[in-house]
Amino acid sequence: DAGVIQSPRHEVTEMGQEVTLRCKPISGHDYLFWYRQTMMRGLELLIYFNNNVPIDDSGMPEDRFSAKMPNASFSTLKIQPSEPRDSAVYFCASSFRLAYNEQFFGPGTRLTVL
Amino acid sequence: GENVEQHPSTLSVQEGDSAVIKCTYSDSASNYFPWYKQELGKRPQLIIDIRSNVGEKKDQRIAVTLNKTAKHFSLHITETQPEDSAVYFCAASIRGSARQLTFGSGTQLTVLP
Repeated sequence: DAGVIQSPRHEVTEMGQEVTLRCKPISGHDYLFWYRQTMMRGLELLIYFNNNVPIDDSGMPEDRFSAKMPNASFSTLKIQPSEPRDSAVYFCASSFRLAYNEQFFGPGTRLTVL
Repeated sequence: GENVEQHPSTLSVQEGDSAVIKCTYSDSASNYFPWYKQELGKRPQLIIDIRSNVGEKKDQRIAVTLNKTAKHFSLHITETQPEDSAVYFCAASIRGSARQLTFGSGTQLTVLP
């Protein structure tokens, strides 16, 4: 298995533009998590899904952020419109419910909003 | 909800010395405590975990201890090497529940040659 796959790996955009981050979880995993990592706030959980259904989105900072999981092998995190304070590394992780909640992280997307 | 506190935020040790990182958690229902290592520019990766039915677990130079009464757990690295330099995160969770991992704020470990 290739592990969790994220794209793009790097994204540079201008303030006000729409940004879409993509994630493919490990096959067979039924939990998917989106995290944001910054120096100031560390690793923050934004939202997570179980069997493609959003379970907890309380970490989503505001309405500019949205996430979808249309099927078991694909999820997106969208920011519209983007702002400079959204600059961060965004990680996707997946896990299998029968395991001890071990989460496998993707390589991350480094987002820079100018 | 769960709250995990981690100390220290930075730690420098001489190569060959030991390093200890400590975490406390608030939810007594938590029963799974993983540690992740994140090298510069890389993803967090699980290095060791401990479940509430044991008090200590060891894997080569790495060990974790758990005190459920006091609600704290620690990571111990012995005979540190330069490649141990990284950010280490502790986390807490309840196995099998819909609750996610709650991460500590991280410890930047630097091993000086």
